Amino acid sequence: DTEVTQTPKHLVMGMTNKKSLKCEQHMGHRAMYWYKQKAKKPPELMFVYSYEKLSINESVPSRFSPECPNSSLLNLHLHALQPEDSALYLCASSQRMTSGTDTQYFGPGTRLTVL
Amino acid sequence: AQSVTQLDSQVPVFEEAPVELRCNYSSSVSVYLFWYVQYPNQGLQLLLKYLSGSTLVKGINGFEAEFNKSQTSFHLRKPSVHISDTAEYFCAVGGSNYKLTFGKGTLLTVNP
Repeated sequence: DTEVTQTPKHLVMGMTNKKSLKCEQHMGHRAMYWYKQKAKKPPELMFVYSYEKLSINESVPSRFSPECPNSSLLNLHLHALQPEDSALYLCASSQRMTSGTDTQYFGPGTRLTVL
Repeated sequence: AQSVTQLDSQVPVFEEAPVELRCNYSSSVSVYLFWYVQYPNQGLQLLLKYLSGSTLVKGINGFEAEFNKSQTSFHLRKPSVHISDTAEYFCAVGGSNYKLTFGKGTLLTVNP
């Protein structure tokens, strides 16, 4: 099973709201990723977790706060977002993060709209 | 450093015609190449990958790609496309680090 699940599918929030995105995989992968994808653009890497520890933060604003409670779950906490943060947020996982050979498996994404 | 160039932003074709989506890469280290497909309002799905060995790689849904080291290319082909192949296609390169570098994508539109 190569499935990565994400909830919710759609989210609309105001600039003062606090919300969270959730990602789950049961493939035993030890690397998990958050990407942001704007319309008609490729995904942009935001964060990488390796063995439940934050390994990479691609200079993401602090209004995005990732969390990895265990090896299967990845959350993205959102607070005080701006309208330009509206995008498709994709989660991915791979066996490890150390090798370029490891395939990243993507979830279906959460479509976020910030009003 | 590594980079990917997808030479065509849009490729319109008629149903049952062959198609080639072009991808060129640059990398200073070992190259691992991937093609992903993204259907409207969905996540990315792996079509195929080249890690080593045979330069002709077969993937899902009848797609294949050929790794050409001398031309630094990894073009995606399908001999006969269907309406359901309409989607965005991303070429990506992975190197010796964690990072997957994507091209800008090619929108394949299959017309009846």
